[in-house]
Amino acid sequence: ETGVTQTPRHLVMGMTNKKSLKCEQHLGHNAMYWYKQSAKKPLELMFVYNFKEQTENNSVPSRFSPECPNSSHLFLHLHTLQPEDSALYLCASSQEMSRRHEQYFGPGTRLTVT
Amino acid sequence: AQTVTQSQPEMSVQEAETVTLSCTYDTSESDYYLFWYKQPPSRQMILVIRQEAYKQQNATENRFSVNFQKAAKSFSLKISDSQLGDAAMYFCAYRTGYNNNDMRFGAGTRLTVKP
Repeated sequence: ETGVTQTPRHLVMGMTNKKSLKCEQHLGHNAMYWYKQSAKKPLELMFVYNFKEQTENNSVPSRFSPECPNSSHLFLHLHTLQPEDSALYLCASSQEMSRRHEQYFGPGTRLTVT
Repeated sequence: AQTVTQSQPEMSVQEAETVTLSCTYDTSESDYYLFWYKQPPSRQMILVIRQEAYKQQNATENRFSVNFQKAAKSFSLKISDSQLGDAAMYFCAYRTGYNNNDMRFGAGTRLTVKP
């Protein structure tokens, strides 16, 4: 285990539902990340938080809404998703945002939008 | 924009043999970091090895080593004495030295280890 947990591990939701993904890190890290992993595509960085402040939003549609209440927790709120949003959503954390610090990944939430 | 290319969607190696996974990247920068991450089936992604672009010496971690060719923008991973537990998806990643938010991954190579 890497010290980063994600819940739920699997989620099936309709296009009109509202759900949230949760990530928690037990490593004392200051930076947290959301990635989208689709089949046969590179991981896509979605959001970056540093000391609870959002520092990056990689042109992510507004139907994805992140929240970082503290340095240990990160949420991804989902609403009115599309079928193409089905993917594995990975959370990661690092000690700092510096490029030399490795990122520790959670197990992911497998999201299916029907 | 920086891109990372892994040209081998799948690779296979016999147990105890050596395998090399390829990665190339495109950048105009001189200061950056490169990483190889491993994602076993249904398990968490973990860092295998990292390379700092300004270091000429190739990084090594036990059975894992890299061949970093900066001029060619190539960053291959060599796995020696392959073990069954090495079976996984391997992702090459690039992180710029000028924008700490910018982390790019390749599409991955699925490695199968045959007993």
